[in-house]
Amino acid sequence: DTGVSQDPRHKITKRGQNVTFRCDPISEHNRLYWYRQTLGQGPEFLTYFQNEAQLEKSRLLSDRFSAERPKGSFSTLEIQRTEQGDSAMYLCASSLASNTEAFFGQGTRLTVV
Amino acid sequence: DAKTTQPNSMESNEEEPVHLPCNHSTISGTDYIHWYRQLPSQGPEYVIHGLTSNVNNRMASLAIAEDRKSSTLILHRATLRDAAVYYCILMRGDMIQGAQKLVFGQGTRLTINP
Repeated sequence: DTGVSQDPRHKITKRGQNVTFRCDPISEHNRLYWYRQTLGQGPEFLTYFQNEAQLEKSRLLSDRFSAERPKGSFSTLEIQRTEQGDSAMYLCASSLASNTEAFFGQGTRLTVV
Repeated sequence: DAKTTQPNSMESNEEEPVHLPCNHSTISGTDYIHWYRQLPSQGPEYVIHGLTSNVNNRMASLAIAEDRKSSTLILHRATLRDAAVYYCILMRGDMIQGAQKLVFGQGTRLTINP
């Protein structure tokens, strides 16, 4: 297992288009987190899953954003009708449980033009 | 979420120790203190975490004040590869809904001079 992987690494899309990102966590990890990071800021929490259950969503996650983790393994984050303000790095992390080491992926950089 | 306060930036020299401070005066009894760092163009990386006692691992040491209202991350011998943004984060140790996540602040940008 090589860690948390995210796909794609970069995405350029036109305003108004839908985009979907994928995260493959470390295989035995039951917790999966999504974060968003803009330049010069720390990562902002978006949502997290315990197995397939989505336990918390940030208010930052507008109704244009949806995340799934259908079988408790990989997860997808979809953004509908993208806006320029959605341009950011989207980070995924996984961990065995709370208060254990979280492993982050390299992120997906989204640019909305 | 309990908050932490860190200096915006610090500078040190290669091969010297670095002490990165973090204040968390509103810490609760069940809060763990986590440190992560983020190298340029990478996702955050776990460094260390602790509850009450000082902790050591291969990357760093974590010194926790007796009243737990502050902590210090110690890099014993900085290298150029340690240049990163360092985040001090409190995470609840109990099962309060909504508390089981890392909440990042602005962190401390550490510059290492050759």
